[in-house]
This record gives sequence, C-alpha cells and structure tokens, in this order.
Amino acid sequence: AQKITQTQPGMFVQEKEAVTLDCTYDTSDPSYGLFWYKQPSSGEMIFLIYQGSYDQQNATEGRYSLNFQKARKSANLVISASQLGDSAMYFCAMREGTGFQKLVFGTGTRLLVSP
Amino acid sequence: DAGVIQSPRHEVTEMGQEVTLRCKPISGHDYLFWYRQTMMRGLELLIYFNNNVPIDDSGMPEDRFSAKMPNASFSTLKIQPSEPRDSAVYFCASSLGTGRMNTEAFFGQGTRLTVV
Repeated sequence: AQKITQTQPGMFVQEKEAVTLDCTYDTSDPSYGLFWYKQPSSGEMIFLIYQGSYDQQNATEGRYSLNFQKARKSANLVISASQLGDSAMYFCAMREGTGFQKLVFGTGTRLLVSP
Repeated sequence: DAGVIQSPRHEVTEMGQEVTLRCKPISGHDYLFWYRQTMMRGLELLIYFNNNVPIDDSGMPEDRFSAKMPNASFSTLKIQPSEPRDSAVYFCASSLGTGRMNTEAFFGQGTRLTVV
C-alpha cells in the first residue's frame, strides 16, 4: 500500500504567487515525522521542512510552511512568494517512529514557476 | 563533514556486467538508505541499514541486487548481472534515527547508472 501520495504530477505558478503542493500519508503509528525535499534539475536532494506528528503548530521555514491536518492525514507544502529558483521536483516523505525508522517518499510533484 | 559521498557519479556498463555502487555516510549516522530514482517509479527505497545491519530489503527488485555495510563508514550496492532496466539514478542517504525521528536524511549526489 502506498504510504505517501502526491496526486499532482505537475504544478504551475507565477512568480511571486503562493502555491500549495499536496501530500497525504497513511500510517497507524501515532508517532511519525513528515519531510519535504526539493530536487532541482541538478539532481541533489535538498531538505526543506519537517513536521512531527505531535507538533502542535504547523512548521515554517522561511517561505516554506506546512499545512498539517492530522485528522485528514495531509501535510501540504505551501511556498509563498514563488521565485524562479523554486522550479524543481518536490517530494514528500514520511518516517514512522516506532521500531525501525524507514523513510519512504511519494512520487513527487514538478513545480514550474513562470515569470 | 563532507556529507554523504557516493561513487562513481556516473557509470556506463554493458548488459550482463557486474556493477558496484559505493557510499560513505556521514560520520555518526546510524541509518543508511539506498534509493533508486526513475521517471516511472519515482524514488524507491531499496534497502536500509541500522547500525550496519540490514533491516528491510523488501524493496530490492530481484536477487541480482545485493547490498552490504561492512562497517559504519561504508556501504555497497551491487547489481550482478546488470540489465538495461536497471538504468536509473541510485541515491544513498544517511541519518541519525534511533530516538531522533525528527532528523532529516542527508543524500549523496547520486550515481547515474546506464546499462547498455
């Protein structure tokens, strides 16, 4: 069963606009962590933001914020004030906290920011 | 620390040949992950280790794939014999994990494998 689902293969946004990238997850573990990574065309994987299942507040890191809706099992990434350099693949990932902590990724969303 | 180091960065090999990919994790990290990235399947977890012990290899596609971690500073992913459908980018990542779920995984630059 797919643990992480990203339903948007591609998204378009204009520069300076905000964009939301969707991520839903599936786990029965009460303890888990959610991560977002960016992969630009150069290929490296860049960590962006983390949200823990017990965190009371949504995570924020600069222009990145995470819209965490625990009951709906969603952890959407919001990028505010998009920049051309935000054009990249974005991956959502989950790490379950009980036992051994494998890290699994969704299929990714390709974001294209236009001038 | 220099980060996660993978070698080679690029590998072109002929079908049927043995391929060995190498990874040096960040010192002190107790988790090591091997991923394969393709257009069709995205980023697949192949196998991961905790304290040098393989924990879950259910993502390894076939018996042609094997991975080892002889010590805390080195891991290999071997494909024998290689096939054209193995062509992909292979990533190694490491992280602190035990008792520290909120630490991110750090990725190497990846090895782009082409099997002709």
